[in-house]
Amino acid sequence: SQQGEEDPQALSIQEGENATMNCSYKTSINNLQWYRQNSGRGLVHLILIRSNEREKHSGRLRVTLDTSKKSSSLLITASRAADTASYFCAHTSGTYKYIFGTGTRLKVLA
Amino acid sequence: DAGVIQSPRHEVTEMGQEVTLRCKPISGHDYLFWYRQTMMRGLELLIYFNNNVPIDDSGMPEDRFSAKMPNASFSTLKIQPSEPRDSAVYFCASNPEGMGEKLFFGSGTQLSVL
Repeated sequence: SQQGEEDPQALSIQEGENATMNCSYKTSINNLQWYRQNSGRGLVHLILIRSNEREKHSGRLRVTLDTSKKSSSLLITASRAADTASYFCAHTSGTYKYIFGTGTRLKVLA
Repeated sequence: DAGVIQSPRHEVTEMGQEVTLRCKPISGHDYLFWYRQTMMRGLELLIYFNNNVPIDDSGMPEDRFSAKMPNASFSTLKIQPSEPRDSAVYFCASNPEGMGEKLFFGSGTQLSVL
């Protein structure tokens, strides 16, 4: 399977703390994206990092990409209860087939 | 724009019945994707279309599944006959032309086959 793997599978933190999620993949990639899914809802795009980039920021989000290790991480700083959701990485590699990771369930406790 | 619109939001049916899921992509988006999400298998790509033409249906689990896109603003995913193992959340997503650019997802259809 080309499916990406994410860890941890679940993460529980206190409001105000930082949350870090990791994603690994198996093939070369065009880019890597992170999505958020609130319970019972569709996925929402958060951030995209291209294969020639190493780090990208968007508000409280920071994404890193290490193509030599075929891995990426998503850092959410100063987490809020509203950040409680599942987070997925997704990548494409030369086609329009987006391969999604297994997801990290984040719970932020108020 | 209203985003990607899927209907119905919930579908409960009995084994053996035909199920039709519907999707309206965002206007101007040339690519449409159908995904299935389960706890066991995560998000699986079933099929995707470019300009209404099916490009890759290798993810369609078996002949009971079929998908069509008769025009740029409408797509259907049909299961006939349905089985309990088809129970899942089915998502439609679209994006404008551009490999690897972000996907816009609908809210999904929760399918339960009894």
